[in-house]
Amino acid sequence: NAGVTQTPKFQVLKTGQSMTLQCAQDMNHEYMSWYRQDPGMGLRLIHYSVGAGITDQGEVPNGYNVSRSTTEDFPLRLLSAAPSQTSVYFCASSPGGDYGYTFGSGTRLTVV
Amino acid sequence: QQPVQSPQAVILREGEDAVINCSSSKALYSVHWYRQKHGEAPVFLMILLKGGEQKGHEKISASFNEKKQQSSLYLTASQLSYSGTYFCGTYSGTYKYIFGTGTRLKVLA
Repeated sequence: NAGVTQTPKFQVLKTGQSMTLQCAQDMNHEYMSWYRQDPGMGLRLIHYSVGAGITDQGEVPNGYNVSRSTTEDFPLRLLSAAPSQTSVYFCASSPGGDYGYTFGSGTRLTVV
Repeated sequence: QQPVQSPQAVILREGEDAVINCSSSKALYSVHWYRQKHGEAPVFLMILLKGGEQKGHEKISASFNEKKQQSSLYLTASQLSYSGTYFCGTYSGTYKYIFGTGTRLKVLA
């Protein structure tokens, strides 16, 4: 059981470039979410999904897109990277209900 | 809206107790608590259900206040391994899962 797997672990982008952060879970969890964490800050919700084909915006969705074609995968796309998107990105999943979220190890993104 | 945690930071000696609060603008249905160590991902610690039942950790417990707009996390006889940042997590609406602002805890020997 790998849990939640995020790739890559580190990435440097130039302003204006696009890229996709990958997230996969093997626990058959319906709920998946993306968060960003800036230094000294908490976790802010970017986008979330409650099942394949169902996604919705979180608190800070601008500049990001998501899709959920399978239960396992929930990629996050940065459309045109900006320095303000420099952050650590966490993907997390949960069976929902009273259960908590299981996190991936994170992707540290720097936009120069 | 993001729940507000207090205090923002706390320093303890090993063996001392600590209380961390998580306050919301509306009633909390249930609250999860997480701990994040430096450079790592948050890890789920425990859940506090709306009826007050809790599932989780041996030396860590939680409660609601009367109006259920605040949850408190109690760390008993803290150990060095308790150091980290604590977050409360809860549902805002049916499916949107958000976290509190975080509390940094440092336990000294």
